Amino acid sequence: TQLLEQSPQFLSIQEGENLTVYCNSSSVFSSLQWYRQEPGEGPVLLVTVVTGGEVKKLKRLTFQFGDARKDSSLHITAAQPGDTGLYLCAGARNANFNKFYFGSGTKLNVKP
Amino acid sequence: DSGVTQTPKHLITATGQRVTLRCSPRSGDLSVYWYQQSLDQGLQFLIHYYNGEERAKGNILERFSAQQFPDLHSELNLSSLELGDSALYFCASSVLTDTQYFGPGTRLTVL
Repeated sequence: TQLLEQSPQFLSIQEGENLTVYCNSSSVFSSLQWYRQEPGEGPVLLVTVVTGGEVKKLKRLTFQFGDARKDSSLHITAAQPGDTGLYLCAGARNANFNKFYFGSGTKLNVKP
Repeated sequence: DSGVTQTPKHLITATGQRVTLRCSPRSGDLSVYWYQQSLDQGLQFLIHYYNGEERAKGNILERFSAQQFPDLHSELNLSSLELGDSALYFCASSVLTDTQYFGPGTRLTVL
């Protein structure tokens, strides 16, 4: 069983639509990260959230960390084909950063 | 370009063989993490080294081992390879914060 559960697993939408990806756990995390990965490449960090209730915006992407620091969401407004990729959440259980847990990923396809 | 390099990019080998994957971290990063990713899945944490010392282990098989050298590059050794070991192997480096920089990965195919 994954410590971080992501949903949905797959998402295929039309350009211009909005979407939300969820990352949930029963455990508390000191921080959560969101990555985007394109085929054949390594994950690229999008954002880190560290404070319960924190909201961060990166252009059309909005990231939220749950109040209890057990879950997070990624909302994309007006999705574009360039947003296509595998979105991964990851977290550290404590601030010594010895180990990171990754969710199983959400594969997003944005059709033009 | 993350600044993390991994070699080789592709590796094809047979069952029962042994391979070594290499990772050079970003300049100044003392932490190296190794991950395994199978078929568009999430990343499974294997092991973390900090300045030459093992700091944490994940679900790493006994057939797998790693080390970090004084120049901070790291090697992941996979032995007695099985078909199920076919995957992408990533390393990431960090200055021991929550920001990791990932290399381009090594795609291992075991036939």
